[in-house]
Amino acid sequence: QFLVTQSPSASASLGGSVKLTCTLSSGHRSYAVAWHQQQPEKAPRFLMRIASDGGHEKADGIPDRFSGSSSGLERHLTISGLQFDDEADYYCQTWGSGILLFGGGTKLTVL
Amino acid sequence: EVQLLESGGGLVQPGESLRLACEASGFKPGLDFRIYAMSWVRQAPGKGLEWVAAISSSGDDAVFAESVRGRFTMTRDTPRNTVYLEMESLTVADSAVYFCAKIMSWEAPNAIDAWGQGALVTVSS
Repeated sequence: QFLVTQSPSASASLGGSVKLTCTLSSGHRSYAVAWHQQQPEKAPRFLMRIASDGGHEKADGIPDRFSGSSSGLERHLTISGLQFDDEADYYCQTWGSGILLFGGGTKLTVL
Repeated sequence: EVQLLESGGGLVQPGESLRLACEASGFKPGLDFRIYAMSWVRQAPGKGLEWVAAISSSGDDAVFAESVRGRFTMTRDTPRNTVYLEMESLTVADSAVYFCAKIMSWEAPNAIDAWGQGALVTVSS
């Protein structure tokens, strides 16, 4: 079954770093993903696309504090120099076999 | 910067129909609406994002989530830079904010790289 799994929550300190993980289901190692940020009461915003080899393509205006990487079935979004404005829900999105899938989202709290 | 503007949301009763529209603008020269697939994504109150439908750049191929297949139709009017989501036999479970989204490729589905602000659809008796 084609699935995308995310931890429901994460937290990190102001100024620190956090690595959010999106795990693809078995058999989908070659699949790319896109990460999206949704701040409270706002529409989602595209952050970046991450390929299976870790190569990533960021949206215009996304600061260097945001980076992406891949390892096996995992696709990572790393945010460094955390700001209170980074507190949001982060969704991983993938696609294939005629469908588009979202993970359940990770709620990031900046302490 | 690509902008997506949804319209057509509102309050309907169970079993009724509704059509959403999404007009796209702000494309870079030579990279206009006609070369991109488009999608609809919804979000029920307090819930995560749920993909609904996607259509290829040509409009020849449309794919749907299982939860709406057979009830929803997605089309595009390229001269008007607009996509539509025709929703029939609506149920309470279809109540959500519906986001229009641009796909970064000609084929659907693929990565989403732009979002609209959303249109609220409420199905209630």
